Amino acid sequence: EAQVTQNPRYLITVTGKKLTVTCSQNMNHEYMSWYRQDPGLGLRQIYYSMNVEVTDKGDVPEGYKVSRKEKRNFPLILESPSPNQTSLYFCASSLRTGNEKLFFGSGTQLSVL
Amino acid sequence: GQQVMQIPQYQHVQEGEDFTTYCNSSTTLSNIQWYKQRPGGHPVFLIQLVKSGEVKKQKRLTFQFGEAKKNSSLHITATQTTDVGTYFCAATYQLIWGAGTKLIIKP
Repeated sequence: EAQVTQNPRYLITVTGKKLTVTCSQNMNHEYMSWYRQDPGLGLRQIYYSMNVEVTDKGDVPEGYKVSRKEKRNFPLILESPSPNQTSLYFCASSLRTGNEKLFFGSGTQLSVL
Repeated sequence: GQQVMQIPQYQHVQEGEDFTTYCNSSTTLSNIQWYKQRPGGHPVFLIQLVKSGEVKKQKRLTFQFGEAKKNSSLHITATQTTDVGTYFCAATYQLIWGAGTKLIIKP
């Protein structure tokens, strides 16, 4: 089944403790991206990747890192999480560009205490 | 930077009534996509509009792209409980998202 898999689904952590949210897609998509969703703000793009070893900042990249060492995986790293990073995070992928149909993961609800 | 304004933020309707959400931009958009997010779920792609004045239908859903490619709308005829969720528009190459319109069915 074609899908985008995110883990974990829920995560509670404390300020400053490094964490990684994993994202994997099995559709051989070139484009992958991370979004955060906050009430009343819709989805805001954090980082995106057009292909392996190619990443770029989105609208709200501060405090986040990403890597794209393999085509299928696009982890989101929070080196030193802060409470303002408490949010719902979505990974998404599309065949070639962000201008095409996006497939989303199920989301990760992160709480930073 | 470029923004897409989506209104209203919420819409309460009785089941069977119609629902409309609008997206507006001050600049010309290359295309626009619409997504639906059920409560507790993730966004799911509905449709993409590319041409000026384009109108597309999916059963009870009608999508329009303005002549100037600066606005778009999603209209649902005779809402059903399965329509509940938040509807988002997303525009341009890097997908600038509207804030969403939450459709609530009154009990």
